[in-house]
Amino acid sequence: DSGVTQTPKHLITATGQRVTLRCSPRSGDLSVYWYQQSLDQGLQFLIQYYNGEERAKGNILERFSAQQFPDLHSELNLSSLELGDSALYFCASSAATGAGNTIYFGEGSWLTVV
Amino acid sequence: GEDVEQSLFLSVREGDSSVINCTYTDSSSTYLYWYKQEPGAGLQLLTYIFSNMDMKQDQRLTVLLNKKDKHLSLRIADTQTGDSAIYFCAEIPDRGSTLGRLYFGRGTQLTVWP
Repeated sequence: DSGVTQTPKHLITATGQRVTLRCSPRSGDLSVYWYQQSLDQGLQFLIQYYNGEERAKGNILERFSAQQFPDLHSELNLSSLELGDSALYFCASSAATGAGNTIYFGEGSWLTVV
Repeated sequence: GEDVEQSLFLSVREGDSSVINCTYTDSSSTYLYWYKQEPGAGLQLLTYIFSNMDMKQDQRLTVLLNKKDKHLSLRIADTQTGDSAIYFCAEIPDRGSTLGRLYFGRGTQLTVWP
């Protein structure tokens, strides 16, 4: 158990809908990362937050947004869903940021768009 | 750029050693990681190595780093069927614009035959 908790574990929704994925980082970790894993793209970095502020942005679509709350949990919002958004979405956390920080991953949220 | 390359498949017999190779392109990478993903599960951090090290051993795992050739390998001694999984190599380049962000290879599917 990495200590990173993600909910829901599985989600099936229709095209055009909006979903929210939730992540609780390991106790004490200030940095939260979101990754998308799909068969064709592999593991893609989406976005990183550190202590409530956006720190880095990757290949995140404009239809997607995220935030980190004062209690350090984070949410990833996916809207106007398309079939191609079906993927495994990982949240990860680390104590701080920068190279050298050990990054731990949650079990992921499986999203299926039908 | 930050390209991480891995061979996609490796098959070994139970009891043999497995060697999973990885090459990376970013010379500023100072931290390199190995993650394991079992079917339907999250990413488990196996081990990591700093670039000022050539080798790191942790029980059955040995990581070798050739910084000159930008080559990283993970050796699993006495491979067991429970080691069957996808193994990801990842790097964090030590540059301000990418601080804390992991760049992953596509993963190597290790299959262990009894």
